[in-house]
Amino acid sequence: QVQLVVSGGGLGRPGGSLRLSCAASGFSFSDSYMSWIRQTPGKGLEWISYINPSGKIVYYEDSVEGRFTISRDNSKNSLFLEMKSLRAEDTAIYYCVRDYQCFDFWGQGHMVTVSS
Amino acid sequence: SYVLTQPPSLSVAPGMTATFSCGGIDIGSHSVHWYQQRPGQAPILVIKYNSDRPSGIPERFSGSNSGNTATLTISRVEAGDEAVYYCQVWDVDSDIVFAGGTKLTVL
Repeated sequence: QVQLVVSGGGLGRPGGSLRLSCAASGFSFSDSYMSWIRQTPGKGLEWISYINPSGKIVYYEDSVEGRFTISRDNSKNSLFLEMKSLRAEDTAIYYCVRDYQCFDFWGQGHMVTVSS
Repeated sequence: SYVLTQPPSLSVAPGMTATFSCGGIDIGSHSVHWYQQRPGQAPILVIKYNSDRPSGIPERFSGSNSGNTATLTISRVEAGDEAVYYCQVWDVDSDIVFAGGTKLTVL
């Protein structure tokens, strides 16, 4: 059974930092592309980043490029999202998701709120 | 950037057929994926690569894609199908694109 469990995040201040972690199980994590997708009432579903299986190739959506960093630890079946220079518009539900084109497994979603 | 368009809502009586549209310029040249999202839950992939059903998705779900419109069809609609349905593509210039979703109400 595939599981993607997100932790971390929560409440952050504008200009501050937060880190999300995603623990994966039930599939071959080290062979999988992984992505982060977020969702807001106003903008809907928004893909923000992906990382290739080795971790050497990463890609970001324009609004988070230079502020967010995606990484992974295949030895621990874990995916990470380091978020810096937070903005109010980063407030969203963040999903850890498998693949980078067709998203077949989604984690449960984790709320991140950026507010002073 | 590439834009996908979906009607915001659709209402169907139980047992009838729900037909969702997803519009985009020459969307037929893209691979379209469809997701179901029930309230308070994460999206679930229900159709991949235009018409393939992932394991565990009922045969009532089907998809097609041609020209400027992709279509998701749910036959014999049930109360449990009530959800928001999103279409999504990967575009060489815009990367991952999601549409705004269609909310299905089962009457």
